[in-house]
Amino acid sequence: DGGITQSPKYLFRKEGQNVTLSCEQNLNHDAMYWYRQDPGQGLRLIYYSQIVNDFQKGDIAEGYSVSREKKESFPLTVTSAQKNPTAFYLCASSPPGTGNYEQYFGPGTRLTVT
Amino acid sequence: AQSVTQPDIHITVSEGASLELRCNYSYGATPYLFWYVQSPGQGLQLLLKYFSGDTLVQGIKGFEAEFKRSQSSFNLRKPSVHWSDAAEYFCAVGEGSYNKLIFGAGTRLAVHP
Repeated sequence: DGGITQSPKYLFRKEGQNVTLSCEQNLNHDAMYWYRQDPGQGLRLIYYSQIVNDFQKGDIAEGYSVSREKKESFPLTVTSAQKNPTAFYLCASSPPGTGNYEQYFGPGTRLTVT
Repeated sequence: AQSVTQPDIHITVSEGASLELRCNYSYGATPYLFWYVQSPGQGLQLLLKYFSGDTLVQGIKGFEAEFKRSQSSFNLRKPSVHWSDAAEYFCAVGEGSYNKLIFGAGTRLAVHP
């Protein structure tokens, strides 16, 4: 079965700790994305990557970091610098080709920081 | 910059009634438009998309949407709603050369029995 997996589904951390969210895809997609979702605000883009070893900041990158060492994997680290990290985080991927905007989403990780 | 507006935050309909969810976009050229659905605590699932051609597009689960360039709209419709359609619906437009999507804030649909 092809798809996107995110783990864990629920994650709890203490304030001041960094935490890494996993995103893996076996769709052979080049592009991958991280979004943050808060109630009433839709999805906001954190980081995106078009190819391995390359990534760009999205609209709300402050306090987050990513890596793209493998085509299949795009982990997101929520650092202690992120002022309000509690949210639902969604990973997505997109097939290759300029103008191919269709994105496929993982099931999400709900992060709670106390 | 491109933007997407979903004017209705919450909509409640009775089961069996028709449904229309509104979406307006701001984009200079021919837009790439999408509707996604999200069940509580889940990821997003693509309902339908418009790239070009016929302005009435059919999607999964009996949904359809109509692209109206003159009104900058891409409204989602379903003739008869089922209780299982209760979810949050997001409209999105493709932006730029990095295959990015701009999402609306979403419309939460409740279905009364």
